[in-house]
Amino acid sequence: DQQVKQNSPSLSVQEGRISILNCDYTNSMFDYFLWYKKYPAEGPTFLISISSIKDKNEDGRFTVFLNKSAKHLSLHIVPSQPGDSAVYFCAASVPGGKLIFGQGTELSVKP
Amino acid sequence: GAGVSQSPSNKVTEKGKDVELRCDPISGHTALYWYRQSLGQGLEFLIYFQGNSAPDKSGLPSDRFSAERTGGSVSTLTIQRTQQEDSAVYLCASSLSGYDYGYTFGSGTRLTVV
Repeated sequence: DQQVKQNSPSLSVQEGRISILNCDYTNSMFDYFLWYKKYPAEGPTFLISISSIKDKNEDGRFTVFLNKSAKHLSLHIVPSQPGDSAVYFCAASVPGGKLIFGQGTELSVKP
Repeated sequence: GAGVSQSPSNKVTEKGKDVELRCDPISGHTALYWYRQSLGQGLEFLIYFQGNSAPDKSGLPSDRFSAERTGGSVSTLTIQRTQQEDSAVYLCASSLSGYDYGYTFGSGTRLTVV
């Protein structure tokens, strides 16, 4: 069963606008959530994370929101830049466990 | 080294042959993970090593897959009697500990079974 789901395989936005990537999870024991970014032919790189005790974490243009009651998290990128074009994976973990990743959303930011 | 190193970067093998994929984690990282990404799919967990603990093998898809980690450092993922469905990018990651989720990934090994 897919414990972490990204239902949108792709997203296209205009440069300067907001990008919103969504992720849903099923395991209520998850206590830590992360977003990774992946360029072609490279490994994923860590972008931003959030603990289950928080509902928002911000780092520059990137903000992650967590809604525990809905088992939903989202990544906001504002303003979006062409260099943000990549595949974004959300991931979650129980304490001390391995990360479980979603299927990824390919973001395309058009100039 | 400065990052996680994987070799080879590309491997083409004939169906039925065995392959070995290598991962050199970041020095001092006690946790090591193998994932794979099949075409159009997400990152599928395979196996997780943490220090001297028994590895978490719960993601290995069949008994044709095995992995070892020697001396708490280098890891080798072995696939025996490869099948076409094994074709994927195999990614290795390491982290300081099992509670450090900021994994550093290697660039992966692209395996093609023909």
